[in-house]
Amino acid sequence: GAVVSQHPSRVICKSGTSVKIECRSLDFQATTMFWYRQFPKQSLMLMATSNEGSKATYEQGVEKDKFLINHASLTLSTLTVTSAHPEDSSFYICSARPPTGGDTEAFFGQGTRLTVV
Amino acid sequence: AQSVTQPDIHITVSEGASLELRCNYSYGATPYLFWYVQSPGQGLQLLLKYFSGDTLVQGIKGFEAEFKRSQSSFNLRKPSVHWSDAAEYFCAVLPRGFQKLVFGTGTRLLVSP
Repeated sequence: GAVVSQHPSRVICKSGTSVKIECRSLDFQATTMFWYRQFPKQSLMLMATSNEGSKATYEQGVEKDKFLINHASLTLSTLTVTSAHPEDSSFYICSARPPTGGDTEAFFGQGTRLTVV
Repeated sequence: AQSVTQPDIHITVSEGASLELRCNYSYGATPYLFWYVQSPGQGLQLLLKYFSGDTLVQGIKGFEAEFKRSQSSFNLRKPSVHWSDAAEYFCAVLPRGFQKLVFGTGTRLLVSP
């Protein structure tokens, strides 16, 4: 199946700094990618839809100025957590679907464990 | 309201016993249906999917799921559980014509010796 690669898998940063997480589709072009956040022992919460060449669409309650999304190419989307605070510590996962119509599943990255200290 | 329900938060099964994880959805038209598995600290891996056709779907790792339109269900089954199956299982739906997956709350499977 298709491969979505996410980097880094783990990151620790100091409070107040910014962290960038990359999501790449390795063998297909993705005009749309999705960013999720997952709290411990909970389900995935969609944060935003990343659209190549245009602004991301954020879900209600997600601060777009804190979670900056850039989708500059058909294979790369980035999520930047700005001015990180301990409450931003979480597991972040991206996904993408190959653009072959409706009958395709979403492929997920390996996830990024962010710890803000 | 549109939703995906996994009524079991935790399930414990003895190794070698059979397994059934429940998933119910509430949508006007039958959406695309998926089961994903997540090991601790990892991303999600697709077990199986239903788009149309045969309502009994075979997946990887010996899993299968049956779509029942009358019950709006897509339950996941495995005849004999292995210790390595211990993980979090998510049912997800993709409403037709939409791009956003909707996830259930997940079921944590524990496998006892």
